[in-house]
Amino acid sequence: DSGVTQTPKHLITATGQRVTLRCSPRSGDLSVYWYQQSLDQGLQFLIQYYNGEERAKGNILERFSAQQFPDLHSELNLSSLELGDSALYFCASSGYVWGNTIYFGEGSWLTVV
Amino acid sequence: GNSVTQMEGPVTLSEEAFLTINCTYTATGYPSLFWYVQYPGEGLQLLLKATKADDKGSNKGFEATYRKETTSFHLEKGSVQVSDSAVYFCALRPAFGNEKLTFGTGTRLTIIP
Repeated sequence: DSGVTQTPKHLITATGQRVTLRCSPRSGDLSVYWYQQSLDQGLQFLIQYYNGEERAKGNILERFSAQQFPDLHSELNLSSLELGDSALYFCASSGYVWGNTIYFGEGSWLTVV
Repeated sequence: GNSVTQMEGPVTLSEEAFLTINCTYTATGYPSLFWYVQYPGEGLQLLLKATKADDKGSNKGFEATYRKETTSFHLEKGSVQVSDSAVYFCALRPAFGNEKLTFGTGTRLTIIP
């Protein structure tokens, strides 16, 4: 158990819909990262938050957005869903220490039908 | 920018064979290097890490040595088991700045009895 909790574990939804994925980081970790893993694209970095502020942005679509709340949990919002958004979405967290490990949750499996 | 190049898969080995999965990286300075493993249907787990040149990370019989001169972090195991079947990801994280992980494309390993 990494200590990073993601919900829901599985989600099936229709095209055009909107979903929210939730992440609770490890206790004390201020940084949260979101990654997308699809079959043909490997692990793609989406976005990072640090203590409530956006820290870095990767290959995140405009239809996607995220935020980190004062209690440090984070949500990834995916809207106007397309078939190609079907993927495993990982949340990860870390502390702010040199060489620190980034720990991953078990992921949220999203299937868009 | 930072990048990680991993040995192409899939790799199929017989039980008790010797395993090497090659990983090389491009980065400035001295990044931390990681191997993550993803077992079938599961999330990403940290397998081992090294934070400075010549460090050797080890876990569950797997080893990898941080080679600055060849910018490599090859994963090895002397005798693989069926339970080692998984996808292995090499990754780097810059030494400073609370940065994200950059992943290789992953190597799928299958061990046959």
